[in-house]
Amino acid sequence: GDSVTQMEGPVTLSEEAFLTINCTYTATGYPSLFWYVQYPGEGLQLLLKATKADDKGSNKGFEATYRKETTSFHLEKGSVQVSDSAVYFCALTDEGAGSYQLTFGKGTKLSVIP
Amino acid sequence: DAGVIQSPRHEVTEMGQEVTLRCKPISGHNSLFWYRQTMMRGLELLIYFNNNVPIDDSGMPEDRFSAKMPNASFSTLKIQPSEPRDSAVYFCASRALAGTNTEAFFGQGTRLTVV
Repeated sequence: GDSVTQMEGPVTLSEEAFLTINCTYTATGYPSLFWYVQYPGEGLQLLLKATKADDKGSNKGFEATYRKETTSFHLEKGSVQVSDSAVYFCALTDEGAGSYQLTFGKGTKLSVIP
Repeated sequence: DAGVIQSPRHEVTEMGQEVTLRCKPISGHNSLFWYRQTMMRGLELLIYFNNNVPIDDSGMPEDRFSAKMPNASFSTLKIQPSEPRDSAVYFCASRALAGTNTEAFFGQGTRLTVV
């Protein structure tokens, strides 16, 4: 079945540091890929998405590129802020393979210190 | 749009009691998901519905859990009887147009504590 593997946290960075959170996936079809963010005490909200190979999703300074050849969708940000402290989830949906659910990674907790 | 609405936000109950969690999806969405989040297990899919019909309930932990979607604007997740290990945050999410790889929108969650 489909699965998502993302780097284990927690990740602690200083403000203005460069962020990379790795995400790789396995899927039987041609999935769409997502990054969700969860701030403390809140639900998950979509950060960015990409629906086909080589697409780059971007939002709030975060970027991720859909790499079919390496089955990856790594999240990056050039300069993190304290307000970026949250848990980040990589996810996929693979409706082309008949699966209508969203499959999530385990989440990576990011803490940004001033 | 008010987004996905869950109630209650917090629930504290005694072991053995029945608990009902409620969800109102975004109007027009025709897929609905129930997830459970704990520190130990992360985010787990319990069940999802397409057009009010349960599609996959393989994530429902045991018979104590049941979910219904009587119409397009309402779903419930019931635990009877509840146990301390059911303590978690339960999220409802909805999506539009199943079949087009669209994103899901999450509610704020219900934090359940069973004592």
